Amino acid sequence: EVQLVESGGGLVQPGGSLRLSCVASGFTFRKYSMNWVRQAPGKGLEWVSYISTRSSDTYYADSVKGRFTISRDDAKNSLFLQMSSLRADDTAVYFCASFFESFDYWGQGTLVTVSS
Amino acid sequence: EIVLTQSPATLSLSPGERATLSCRASQSVDNYLAWYQQKPGQAPRLLIYDASNRATGIPARFSGSGSGTDFTLTISSLEPEDFAVYYCQQRGYWPLSFGGGTKLEIK
Repeated sequence: EVQLVESGGGLVQPGGSLRLSCVASGFTFRKYSMNWVRQAPGKGLEWVSYISTRSSDTYYADSVKGRFTISRDDAKNSLFLQMSSLRADDTAVYFCASFFESFDYWGQGTLVTVSS
Repeated sequence: EIVLTQSPATLSLSPGERATLSCRASQSVDNYLAWYQQKPGQAPRLLIYDASNRATGIPARFSGSGSGTDFTLTISSLEPEDFAVYYCQQRGYWPLSFGGGTKLEIK
């Protein structure tokens, strides 16, 4: 069974930093690209970042470019999102997800709250 | 950046009725369009990929059509479990993007 389990969310002050993690199981992690998608409370889905296999390519939404860094550790079946200079509008549930054609799996998300 | 506009924002229908949801892209996304269903407190669930291909385990009452800039998700006969929020997503061009969603509610 494919599983993606996020962790690392919590309450952080504006301007602070946080590192999210996502551990994958049930599939050959190194063979799949990965994404982070977020959802602000009561709002829609927003794609945040992408990392290819072998970490050869990364992409970011304009709203997080220069502040967030995506990375992966294939040996540990793990995906990361380093977030810095956090703002109130970064408050959201953050999902890790892998989607390519019919291969489509999401974690249950981790809540990040940016507030003083 | 490709903007996806979904309409209507809210659709009020009864079980057994047909639902038609629209997604319009600000520029062509070819057929790189997916549809998701999301229920409260849950992760999104893939329904349709590449505009018209049903994902594994998705009932035949769900169908997708369109290409280029105009896409449609049709639910032929609504079941009680179909009332949820639906999102379209374009997967072909960076940055990836989602539509704002259509809430399908019980009338």
